[in-house]
Amino acid sequence: DAGVIQSPRHEVTEMGQEVTLRCKPISGHNSLFWYRQTMMRGLELLIYFNNNVPIDDSGMPEDRFSAKMPNASFSTLKIQPSEPRDSAVYFCASRGRVTVPEAFFGQGTRLTVV
Amino acid sequence: AQSVTQPDIHITVSEGASLELRCNYSYGATPYLFWYVQSPGQGLQLLLKYFSGDTLVQGIKGFEAEFKRSQSSFNLRKPSVHWSDAAEYFCAVGLMNRDDKIIFGKGTRLHILP
Repeated sequence: DAGVIQSPRHEVTEMGQEVTLRCKPISGHNSLFWYRQTMMRGLELLIYFNNNVPIDDSGMPEDRFSAKMPNASFSTLKIQPSEPRDSAVYFCASRGRVTVPEAFFGQGTRLTVV
Repeated sequence: AQSVTQPDIHITVSEGASLELRCNYSYGATPYLFWYVQSPGQGLQLLLKYFSGDTLVQGIKGFEAEFKRSQSSFNLRKPSVHWSDAAEYFCAVGLMNRDDKIIFGKGTRLHILP
């Protein structure tokens, strides 16, 4: 299995632009998490899905952030409009259906908003 | 609310010395407990996990962790560190209802002296 695949690996954008981060979870996994990592705040859970349904989005910082999971093999995290304080590494992770409770992480997307 | 505390932001040890990284959690019941490691520019990799049974669990790369219910702790240990162990280490918890989210501590960065 290729693991969790995130794209792009790096994104540099100007303030005010729309940014879309993409994630392909491990095939057969039914939970998907989006995390944001910064030096100041560590690893924050933004939102997670079970069976493509958003369960808890309380970590989404504000309305500029939105996430979708149209099917079991794809999810997006969108920021519109982007701001410099959104600069961070964004991780996607997935978790399987059977007796395996841990999450498997992608390599992350490093976002820089200038 | 559930929380995970890693009291040490940075730890420095000499190569060959023993290591203990601390983790305390606050939850309503015994959760799933994890330790992950992150090398620079990489995603998070699972070192070990606990959810029942023997309170001393073995993981990859020679790491072990001990669950102490009375102290709400899950400390990570290694008898002799190697230079390649320099990385950031994250403790995480998830409810026994495995459809729930996984929350991470802020991490401990491990530095190894030659």
